[in-house]
Amino acid sequence: DAKTTQPNSMESNEEEPVHLPCNHSTISGTDYIHWYRQLPSQGPEYVIHGLTSNVNNRMASLAIAEDRKSSTLILHRATLRDAAVYYCILRWTQGGSEKLVFGKGTKLTVNP
Amino acid sequence: DGGITQSPKYLFRKEGQNVTLSCEQNLNHDAMYWYRQDPGQGLRLIYYSQIVNDFQKGDIAEGYSVSREKKESFPLTVTSAQKNPTAFYLCASSIQRGSPLHFGNGTRLTVT
Repeated sequence: DAKTTQPNSMESNEEEPVHLPCNHSTISGTDYIHWYRQLPSQGPEYVIHGLTSNVNNRMASLAIAEDRKSSTLILHRATLRDAAVYYCILRWTQGGSEKLVFGKGTKLTVNP
Repeated sequence: DGGITQSPKYLFRKEGQNVTLSCEQNLNHDAMYWYRQDPGQGLRLIYYSQIVNDFQKGDIAEGYSVSREKKESFPLTVTSAQKNPTAFYLCASSIQRGSPLHFGNGTRLTVT
């Protein structure tokens, strides 16, 4: 199974940028990199995803290493509402059943 | 609005009873997933289904059963064989491989 590794926790100050890393050294050529975040007692929320090129949307940016073995989710200006657990996962695109595996994620604390 | 509905939000059962958690989606998604989350932990995959009438075991399927008779519905039964059923259960769906996951808001099951 494709696997990702993230730090258990990170801390940031409000209105500062946050860089959340993810290692995925066993990624295959057709795997998409997805990021989700989860607030307490809620289901995870989709943040962003990408394949090879860097991606931007209204929530965040995703920077993907050239060898695709790692990626970084960038929150440009952290707010208190960004405090959550962030998960990085790989999604298969090849044949066979897709078994989606989540790790423990990174708990982001945002200080006022 | 399209989305995933999990019901009920809170569920209480006595030990030894089977209980069924509902998951309905009106997003016309083919793939559906069930995850379990324990306090302070990540998501663990219970069962997943790529298409109607087909499903596969995830990492912790023992003590659980599912059915996928309709595209919109993927109910999860927690049987009396599940040793530690108290947890937060999350259902998700996806239109196709590689595309974003949509999660429900979860059902918190307490068994005493």
